[in-house]
Amino acid sequence: KAGVTQTPRYLIKTRGQQVTLSCSPISGHRSVSWYQQTPGQGLQFLFEYFSETQRNKGNFPGRFSGRQFSNSRSEMNVSTLELGDSALYLCASSSGTGFHQPQHFGDGTRLSIL
Amino acid sequence: DQQVKQNSPSLSVQEGRISILNCDYTNSMFDYFLWYKKYPAEGPTFLISISSIKDKNEDGRFTVFLNKSAKHLSLHIVPSQPGDSAVYFCAASAGAQGAQKLVFGQGTRLTINP
Repeated sequence: KAGVTQTPRYLIKTRGQQVTLSCSPISGHRSVSWYQQTPGQGLQFLFEYFSETQRNKGNFPGRFSGRQFSNSRSEMNVSTLELGDSALYLCASSSGTGFHQPQHFGDGTRLSIL
Repeated sequence: DQQVKQNSPSLSVQEGRISILNCDYTNSMFDYFLWYKKYPAEGPTFLISISSIKDKNEDGRFTVFLNKSAKHLSLHIVPSQPGDSAVYFCAASAGAQGAQKLVFGQGTRLTINP
């Protein structure tokens, strides 16, 4: 079974730009969650999508948004990029909604803001 | 406010001995706990989990203990092997529908010395 695939692996942007990251979950998984990992804040939950609906949301500003398609693939968008958005963005999938089950993570997209 | 804390940023253990990683939490609503292992340049990998109705869960060399009164959990690895060298994250989740998120600790870097 193929794992969670995130594209691209690396991305360099400048302040003020916007970026879209993509995540393909494990086949059959309908829940996709996004996380931001930084050295200072650790791993922080951004949001979760299940069946194309955002089910849960972390404490991030509205510049961070996402969506999920009917095939369960998900995209995350960050607008008006700031230097502090430089981070590793991780996507995870699971078969059901919520977190009382293991999340299967991709290897992440490393976003650098210049 | 850091609801899940791993107070030891690093831990060094001799091969064959027991590794004990600790995690404390403050939110009494957390009812499900998970441990993940992360190698460099890879996403976290699920290791083991425990529900708040239990105080111990075992899977091979890995055992997680939960002390609800102390709001403390620990991961025991025995015997420790060189391949266990990684960063370990504990994570906690609350069960209420519509308000769930996964909260991670800052991680503990475990080094197994031959």
